[in-house]
Amino acid sequence: KAGVTQTPRYLIKTRGQQVTLSCSPISGHRSVSWYQQTPGQGLQFLFEYFSETQRNKGNFPGRFSGRQFSNSRSEMNVSTLELGDSALYLCASSQTSGSSYEQYFGPGTRLTVT
Amino acid sequence: AQSVTQLGSHVSVSEGALVLLRCNYSSSVPPYLFWYVQYPNQGLQLLLKYTSAATLVKGINGFEAEFKKSETSFHLTKPSAHMSDAAEYFCAVSVSGGYNKLIFGAGTRLAVHP
Repeated sequence: KAGVTQTPRYLIKTRGQQVTLSCSPISGHRSVSWYQQTPGQGLQFLFEYFSETQRNKGNFPGRFSGRQFSNSRSEMNVSTLELGDSALYLCASSQTSGSSYEQYFGPGTRLTVT
Repeated sequence: AQSVTQLGSHVSVSEGALVLLRCNYSSSVPPYLFWYVQYPNQGLQLLLKYTSAATLVKGINGFEAEFKKSETSFHLTKPSAHMSDAAEYFCAVSVSGGYNKLIFGAGTRLAVHP
């Protein structure tokens, strides 16, 4: 099976702009979670989508949003970009939603805000 | 609230030596615990997971971890380090409640010297 894919792999944006990142889960996986990775804060949970519904959200401002489509593909959007949004954004897919299920990560999208 | 602490942000071993990466967790309920590895410019790869079936968990690439409830630990070991093991390792606990939300430790960077 193909793994989790994320596009684009690299992005450079300017402060104030918005950005959309895409994630395609492993075939058959219905849950998609997003994480932000920075040197200072480490890996932090953004949100989880399952069956097109947001099930859980991390402690991030409302500028961070996401959605999931009927084919389980997911997008996350960051509006009004700030310098501190520069990070590696990782998407993870899982068969279903539940604490015991493994999450499989994509290669990430490296976002640089200038 | 659940949390994970990884002792030692950097660990250095010689090729062929024992690898020991420490992880302690805090959880009021039986935890689901995971170890992930991240190579430079890549996403996270699942090494192994603990879901209460057995206290000694074997993973990929010769790694294993032992769950010790009395010590609230889930340390990762490998009997003989290989140069290709050089990477960053993350311990994570899955938040209870039926969600796909991982709380990660700060990570341990493993260096392997010839």
